[in-house]
Amino acid sequence: DQQVKQNSPSLSVQEGRISILNCDYTNSMFDYFLWYKKYPAEGPTFLISISSIKDKNEDGRFTVFLNKSAKHLSLHIVPSQPGDSAVYFCAATHTDKLIFGTGTRLQVFP
Amino acid sequence: GAGVSQSPSNKVTEKGKDVELRCDPISGHTALYWYRQSLGQGLEFLIYFQGNSAPDKSGLPSDRFSAERTGGSVSTLTIQRTQQEDSAVYLCASSTTIGPQHFGDGTRLSIL
Repeated sequence: DQQVKQNSPSLSVQEGRISILNCDYTNSMFDYFLWYKKYPAEGPTFLISISSIKDKNEDGRFTVFLNKSAKHLSLHIVPSQPGDSAVYFCAATHTDKLIFGTGTRLQVFP
Repeated sequence: GAGVSQSPSNKVTEKGKDVELRCDPISGHTALYWYRQSLGQGLEFLIYFQGNSAPDKSGLPSDRFSAERTGGSVSTLTIQRTQQEDSAVYLCASSTTIGPQHFGDGTRLSIL
């Protein structure tokens, strides 16, 4: 039973445009959501998070939106840059351990 | 360095051997986590430490897997009698009580 789902395995976006990565979850007990970015042969790097009591959190080019009624969150990156090309993981928690999605590979092309 | 350090970065061993993976968390981080990522999969939780105790071991896949943490710092994950399905990247993360988890670069384990 996959509690956190990233249904798009890959996404390709032109440099300067907006990248939108999506994530769905099934467990209504989740109270904190995070996005991580992962380059090959490196560990995931924390990007941005959001508490379940909020619906938006912004940090520079990154914004996370949470729709609790739809059990859906998204990460917006604007403007997208070639260095953003990586695998992005959505994660959720209601205790301490993180439950991860399977990731979306983002490619930003010139 | 200031980040989570894991060793070895790569480990190749024969089926049936025991392996020990090490994690050195960020200084001052009380919580430590082990995850693994199998090929094409997301990260799978294994075990969580708060200080030296492990309140959640629910992700350990079998009794061949064990972990310990001493001095509230370094942790070792031990896999006994390794099997080919144990091949994966094993990731360690640490955090403060309220902060996000910060990951090391992992140990890539290959069982021949």
